[in-house]
Amino acid sequence: NAGVTQTPKFQVLKTGQSMTLQCAQDMNHEYMSWYRQDPGMGLRLIHYSVGAGITDQGEVPNGYNVSRSTTEDFPLRLLSAAPSQTSVYFCASSKDRSNEKLFFGSGTQLSVL
Amino acid sequence: DAKTTQPPSMDCAEGRAANLPCNHSTISGNEYVYWYRQIHSQGPQYIIHGLKNNETNEMASLIITEDRKSSTLILPHATLRDTAVYYCIAPARTTDSWGKFQFGAGTQVVVTP
Repeated sequence: NAGVTQTPKFQVLKTGQSMTLQCAQDMNHEYMSWYRQDPGMGLRLIHYSVGAGITDQGEVPNGYNVSRSTTEDFPLRLLSAAPSQTSVYFCASSKDRSNEKLFFGSGTQLSVL
Repeated sequence: DAKTTQPPSMDCAEGRAANLPCNHSTISGNEYVYWYRQIHSQGPQYIIHGLKNNETNEMASLIITEDRKSSTLILPHATLRDTAVYYCIAPARTTDSWGKFQFGAGTQVVVTP
């Protein structure tokens, strides 16, 4: 099992550019989410999804869009990157409402210049 | 989620037990306590979870007080590889807020030789 796979691992953007961070899981998990982690800080929830076709906002959703067209994939889109979005991004998944055990990806380090 | 409070840091000598406290005084009766750890720059890793009984697995033990307002994660024989940030969370289980898992700043544990 690959678990939760994030791509790319590293990315440098210029201010105003757009990009999509990819997240895929092969465990048939209903729940998926995105977190960002700034240096020396804890994880902050950006968006989450409790199933295909369902998404909701977390603590820091501004500047990010998500969609969940399949169970396996949960991409995070930055429409117009800003330096404040420089961070490490983690994707996570869990089975369903009966179990909050989260499986995390290895992260994407994003720098916006 | 129930608010959780953890000390920002603690040191532990290699080979000794590390006892990590977490306060969750507003936890509801059906909310579990989950512990994760994050080794530098990696994605967080699940350690253990519990509802009201003490739990043990190959990584750690979890002691939950009878009133469920606090818990302690025990690393029985700390090694240098246990140096990490440890997070305690208590996810809400109400229908409209399930999935909004929030991590605090955690406890930075440093295991010294």
